Parts: sequence; C-alpha cells; structure tokens
Amino acid sequence: KAGVTQTPRYLIKTRGQQVTLSCSPISGHRSVSWYQQTPGQGLQFLFEYFSETQRNKGNFPGRFSGRQFSNSRSEMNVSTLELGDSALYLCASSPGWGATGELFFGEGSRLTVL
Amino acid sequence: AQTVTQSQPEMSVQEAETVTLSCTYDTSENNYYLFWYKQPPSRQMILVIRQEAYKQQNATENRFSVNFQKAAKSFSLKISDSQLGDTAMYFCARGQGGSEKLVFGKGTKLTVNP
Repeated sequence: KAGVTQTPRYLIKTRGQQVTLSCSPISGHRSVSWYQQTPGQGLQFLFEYFSETQRNKGNFPGRFSGRQFSNSRSEMNVSTLELGDSALYLCASSPGWGATGELFFGEGSRLTVL
Repeated sequence: AQTVTQSQPEMSVQEAETVTLSCTYDTSENNYYLFWYKQPPSRQMILVIRQEAYKQQNATENRFSVNFQKAAKSFSLKISDSQLGDTAMYFCARGQGGSEKLVFGKGTKLTVNP
C-alpha cells in the first residue's frame, strides 16, 4: 500500500508569490491534516479535513487555506508569501475522523521563501 | 494555552543502554490521547507508541514503553536496548476525542552512539 504522497518535495518562492501544495492520502483514508514544521515553532497544526469539510483550523492567518476533494486528496495554498512561511509542510492521513488513532505522515514539502 | 512540554532538547545514549525521554502536558479534557512520534533524519514521522488517557495500564511496544502519570500530567518514553536506528527526533503529542488535531512538543533529539 502506498504511503502518504506530498508534492512537490522542494520548492523555492519569492515574497509575495503564492504556492499550492498537494497531498494524496493512503488509499482508503478519508481524513487529512496539515502541519507546519519550523525550527523555532516546532510542529503547528494548520487544518484538518474529513469528507471534503474542514473540521478544525489552527491559529494561522487567512493567507493559509486548504481544501479536500471527493477522492480525499487535499491541497493547501499560501498566498502572499512571507519569509516566515519558509518551513516543512507535513500532511498526515488517517482512516476516519475523531478516533484519535495513528496519523500517517508524508515526507513533507519543504518551502523556501526568498 | 494547552501545551505539551519536552524539557530535554537533546539527549545521547550508548547502544544497548536504556534512555528515558520526558514529556509533560496540559489539558482540561477528560477524553484525550497521548503519542510519541519519531522523525528520523530526512525521513517521515512515524508513530512509536500511543496511550489512551482512560487506560491506567502503561502502553508498551517491543523495546518502547511509557510511564503515564495522569495526575501529574506526565508521559515519559523509555527506550530499552537502544539501537543505532533509534537516532531521531522524538515528539510527544496530545490529541483529544472528536478530532485528529495533535498538539506537539518541541521535540527531543536523541543520538544513539556506537
């Protein structure tokens, strides 16, 4: 069974641009959540989706948005990029929602903002 | 803020020895779950062990075990017979029923020396 796939793995953007990151969950998993990982702040929750609905959102500005498609694949978008958005963005999937079981993480998308 | 604290930024241990990583957390919920995740260098994060707060018995997974002290809100991870492959960042995390959102600690970088 394929794991969680995130694309692109690495990308470089400049301030003011926007970026879209993609996440394909494990087949059969319907819940997807996103985390931002930085050396200073650690792992911070961005949002979680189940059945195409955002169930929870972290404390991030409105420049951060996401969505989930009917096949459970998810995308997140960051508009008007700032230097502080440089981070590893991790996607995680799980079979259901609310059971607080194991999250399966992807390898992440490393974003560098210049 | 309901936080997770890992007081040891870095630790090292000799191969075959035992090491304990500390974690304390804060929550006002009764229905919550605790996790230890491992993130090897440049590799994806994987679950090490999971504990339901309502269970008094400490969880164990092969060489990994926890000491869950609910009243003290403490959740330490013991790694027995340490192996070189245990070298990684270890993150303590708390989740709660009805959500897949996890709150992570800042992590402990563990190095196993030959």
